[in-house]
Amino acid sequence: KAGVTQTPRYLIKTRGQQVTLSCSPISGHRSVSWYQQTPGQGLQFLFEYFSETQRNKGNFPGRFSGRQFSNSRSEMNVSTLELGDSALYLCASSLQGQARGTQYFGPGTRLLVL
Amino acid sequence: GIQVEQSPPDLILQEGANSTLRCNFSDSVNNLQWFHQNPWGQLINLFYIPSGTKQNGRLSATTVATERYSLLYISSSQTTDSGVYFCAVLAGGGNKLTFGTGTQLKVEL
Repeated sequence: KAGVTQTPRYLIKTRGQQVTLSCSPISGHRSVSWYQQTPGQGLQFLFEYFSETQRNKGNFPGRFSGRQFSNSRSEMNVSTLELGDSALYLCASSLQGQARGTQYFGPGTRLLVL
Repeated sequence: GIQVEQSPPDLILQEGANSTLRCNFSDSVNNLQWFHQNPWGQLINLFYIPSGTKQNGRLSATTVATERYSLLYISSSQTTDSGVYFCAVLAGGGNKLTFGTGTQLKVEL
């Protein structure tokens, strides 16, 4: 099976712009989670989607949003970008939304905000 | 929320040496995973180990859930083992992983 894929892999934006990142989970996986990794804060949970519904949300401002489509692909959007949004954004998929089983991560999208 | 601590934060080894990385967590967990983050940033699954012991080649892991810690053993280390090792736990419902701060491992010739 193909792994988790994320597009784009690299992105440069300027402050105030918005950005949309995409994640395609492993075939058959219904849960998709998003994480932000920065040198200062480490890996932090953004949100999780399961069957097109947001199940959990981390402690991020409303500028961060996401959605999941019927084929389980997910997008996350960041509006009004700030310099501090520069980070590696990782997406993970798992078979179920039952807090068991392995989560598999994609290669990430590196976002640089200038 | 649950706290996850990893030690040591940094580790330098000579090729061929063995090492033990530790992960302590503050509450009961449903799931614990160990990852290796490669230089390009991807998190590579090493173990899914909420309890017990598992081995995969030169790597093995043990989780003692009742005492709230997990250990990752790397034997006969190689330069390709370099990178950051994370443990991550799931507590409660859903799939929200809480990550430790990682152990930066450097294996030298």
